Amino acid sequence: AQSVTQLGSHVSVSEGALVLLRCNYSSSVPPYLFWYVQYPNQGLQLLLKYTSAATLVKGINGFEAEFKKSETSFHLTKPSAHMSDAAEYFCAVSENNNDMRFGAGTRLTVKP
Amino acid sequence: DADVTQTPRNRITKTGKRIMLECSQTKGHDRMYWYRQDPGLGLQLIYYSFDVKDINKGEISDGYSVSRQAQAKFSLSLESAIPNQTALYFCATKRQLIGSPLHFGNGTRLTVT
Repeated sequence: AQSVTQLGSHVSVSEGALVLLRCNYSSSVPPYLFWYVQYPNQGLQLLLKYTSAATLVKGINGFEAEFKKSETSFHLTKPSAHMSDAAEYFCAVSENNNDMRFGAGTRLTVKP
Repeated sequence: DADVTQTPRNRITKTGKRIMLECSQTKGHDRMYWYRQDPGLGLQLIYYSFDVKDINKGEISDGYSVSRQAQAKFSLSLESAIPNQTALYFCATKRQLIGSPLHFGNGTRLTVT
């Protein structure tokens, strides 16, 4: 069965620092993996997705994620945090074409 | 203009009342979903639909029902609301193509008192 674990419900970084949000997945077949961002009072927006074409995936707003099969991980990174990156981030997995399972989310705070 | 529109945006209701949340989309997607978001739990799938005649239960369907009135419309009902159904509800759509992402509405914040 598919599932996602996001390590750390809250992450705080300084502006300009590296952002690293961790995601580990469980799937019985090669998965499709996604990162979404949620700003206050809004729905979830797609940041990036992994669909087996390349292990390093680049997304919007300077974010990227690397698929590591041996570690069953899909961590999200950004070299330099900006104040506008403050939001909640969700990792999600889909191993079929029916549904998508989400992690519990990581709230990112960016300090000036 | 929003591609996935949810109404209402906010709703306060009393225990035992019937309530309907509505979702419409202009994306032309066949698949539609209802998720519930609670702090610390992420999103949990309530129901999903592949077309008007294909409705499926998700992880937490108890206490909820849905209706797919047309390809573009998918409503969620709480027949008799209870306080632990207080949450943020999201509708989402998806193309049939495997690996396609979900596209979300802006959510409905429901409070049951």
